[in-house]
Amino acid sequence: EPEVTQTPSHQVTQMGQEVILRCVPISNHLYFYWYRQILGQKVEFLVSFYNNEISEKSEIFDDQFSVERPDGSNFTLKIRSTKLEDSAMYFCASNLNSNQPQHFGDGTRLSIL
Amino acid sequence: AQSVAQPEDQVNVAEGNPLTVKCTYSVSGNPYLFWYVQYPNRGLQFLLKYITGDNLVKGSYGFEAEFNKSQTSFHLKKPSALVSDSALYFCAVRDPLDTGFQKLVFGTGTRLLVSP
Repeated sequence: EPEVTQTPSHQVTQMGQEVILRCVPISNHLYFYWYRQILGQKVEFLVSFYNNEISEKSEIFDDQFSVERPDGSNFTLKIRSTKLEDSAMYFCASNLNSNQPQHFGDGTRLSIL
Repeated sequence: AQSVAQPEDQVNVAEGNPLTVKCTYSVSGNPYLFWYVQYPNRGLQFLLKYITGDNLVKGSYGFEAEFNKSQTSFHLKKPSALVSDSALYFCAVRDPLDTGFQKLVFGTGTRLLVSP
């Protein structure tokens, strides 16, 4: 069964540095998402992306965050200047259309020092 | 805005016994409801969904869930629990009337522990 893949599995970064989290969604999917899960807390929506543009973003997704689909397969989340509170698991998800379930990757654990 | 409540942080059940993991929701329109399971160091794995139709939906690994509109609930059930079912379970809702028409809103999760 096709999967959403995320790299790296664990990223350690100094506060203030830029970080890029990478995702390869399922190949025929059209909608892409990023969520995050701070340790011990619930999964929170960050952003959705469709037709090469952001379709919705949460309050968490401020000017420090950006997303990009640089080619036909990758979907990236960039945090420009990381803060301690950005430490979390970041999950990428995709689906074919709005009635289909979102399929999640295994996540990238981001640790900000 | 939509919301989901999972009132139990943990559910303990003996192997072979039936299990129920509770979920209630709040949306402005007719909800799209989902259950996901998370194993350690893994992502969220889709179990089942309710969009429309029969109130009892069946999903992966023998799980099922019942949509109850009057009680705004979508409890996850399994007739006979396995030790391997031990994991973190998340209920999620999407409100198709919300401008964030694709966004999933998750509950806080319920840890299921099945003892041998």
